[in-house]
Amino acid sequence: ETGVTQTPRHLVMGMTNKKSLKCEQHLGHNAMYWYKQSAKKPLELMFVYSLEERVENNSVPSRFSPECPNSSHLFLHLHTLQPEDSALYLCASSQDYGPNTGELFFGEGSRLTVL
Amino acid sequence: RKEVEQDPGPFNVPEGATVAFNCTYSNSASQSFFWYRQDCRKEPKLLMSVYSSGNEDGRFTAQLNRASQYISLLIRDSKLSDSATYLCVMRFGGGSYIPTFGRGTSLIVHP
Repeated sequence: ETGVTQTPRHLVMGMTNKKSLKCEQHLGHNAMYWYKQSAKKPLELMFVYSLEERVENNSVPSRFSPECPNSSHLFLHLHTLQPEDSALYLCASSQDYGPNTGELFFGEGSRLTVL
Repeated sequence: RKEVEQDPGPFNVPEGATVAFNCTYSNSASQSFFWYRQDCRKEPKLLMSVYSSGNEDGRFTAQLNRASQYISLLIRDSKLSDSATYLCVMRFGGGSYIPTFGRGTSLIVHP
């Protein structure tokens, strides 16, 4: 069983749709992240949750709404997206979030296309 | 100036070559440094951490130069399987623990 799993792996949606991305980690970690990866650009941090509390919100548009119901699950709710939101959305986890934050473990990503 | 800068490449080298990448950073309060590897259409995975004294893992050597604010990755005896994008990652101090990524350097090792 892989450490961090993301579903769906691919998603095509119209600008008026509402969909959600799901991430689950089986590593017993306390911190989870959403990153956006667009072509030719660095990974952009969107949100960080530590012990189910949002600790970072990196000026992300409100059409992206995260949810962390427990330390193993992280969702990204999507609505009224724009074509420029098409990207690979990567979920990651780490043991903790703090001065000794170590390795990030990534899921395989959800590739989103907005028509 | 971007916080973390990398030459995107691609670096195109023959098998057996030695290749080095640098990654510069602008925040002198940077505390932790890492190299990740990302294969085509795959997720990033940790390659190695970068320690102040430099560290080696087989054919890979990572170094940190705080005075000039850059980290480096040296790959000796390149293999075809080393072809990937190498991402430098750092975490800055001052109360922020966000891992910040460079855009990556593409390496292509050819026969």
